[in-house]
Amino acid sequence: QSVLTQPPSVSGAPGQRVTISCSGSSSNIGGGYDVHWYRQVPGEAPKLLIYGDIHRPSGVPDRFSGSKSGSSASLAITGLQAEDEADYYCQSHDSRLSGSNVFGTGTTVIVL
Amino acid sequence: QLQLQESGPGLVKPSETLSLTCAVSGVSVGDFSYYWGWVRQAPGKGLEWIGSIYYTGSTYYRPSLQSRLEMSVDISKNYLSLRLTTTTAADSGTYYCARHQKFDWLYAFDVWGRGILVSVSS
Repeated sequence: QSVLTQPPSVSGAPGQRVTISCSGSSSNIGGGYDVHWYRQVPGEAPKLLIYGDIHRPSGVPDRFSGSKSGSSASLAITGLQAEDEADYYCQSHDSRLSGSNVFGTGTTVIVL
Repeated sequence: QLQLQESGPGLVKPSETLSLTCAVSGVSVGDFSYYWGWVRQAPGKGLEWIGSIYYTGSTYYRPSLQSRLEMSVDISKNYLSLRLTTTTAADSGTYYCARHQKFDWLYAFDVWGRGILVSVSS
């Protein structure tokens, strides 16, 4: 059971904006640890989308943006496209139990 | 071009040891700039961090796996290894090796292998 909670799914029509939340606590996101986001197409390996809360790796479109406030973080996708349909995971660090990297529960983006 | 390739048995009997390797090309696992890690994913489930390792052999393990897990690096052969003992069906899934962006295990995973599907079953 993950300590980072995400909604099971979010949906939107092409061109719309959707956001995915990642809710944590004071031992992880709220403790100031970086949040990273990954996208995973079923059957493929995850791909880094956002690192260090807000930074995009080279090659990631600026339609994807990250933010963080308190013990939560969010990933926003603007100009939704059919190819954005995938699973998205947040990741951070949790300081409990000798420390551990933790992933969120995952969110499936559905393009209507 | 940096590539990671997992290999190992696709089927392991319960209570036996799961051994995987990750061949790295395009960068040395002895490069002090990076930590390396393993992530797994049970069928139809989310991602789960297993552990991370530095070229010095310094390791960080998932607490719930610590008593059964051993990770290592072989700089001469440029690969990573994972050993998980006393396996159960709950250890079934796809195992990925990945590179942390920088020399700290808190950094994001920026390069991933394709993954290897492992089933623990008699």
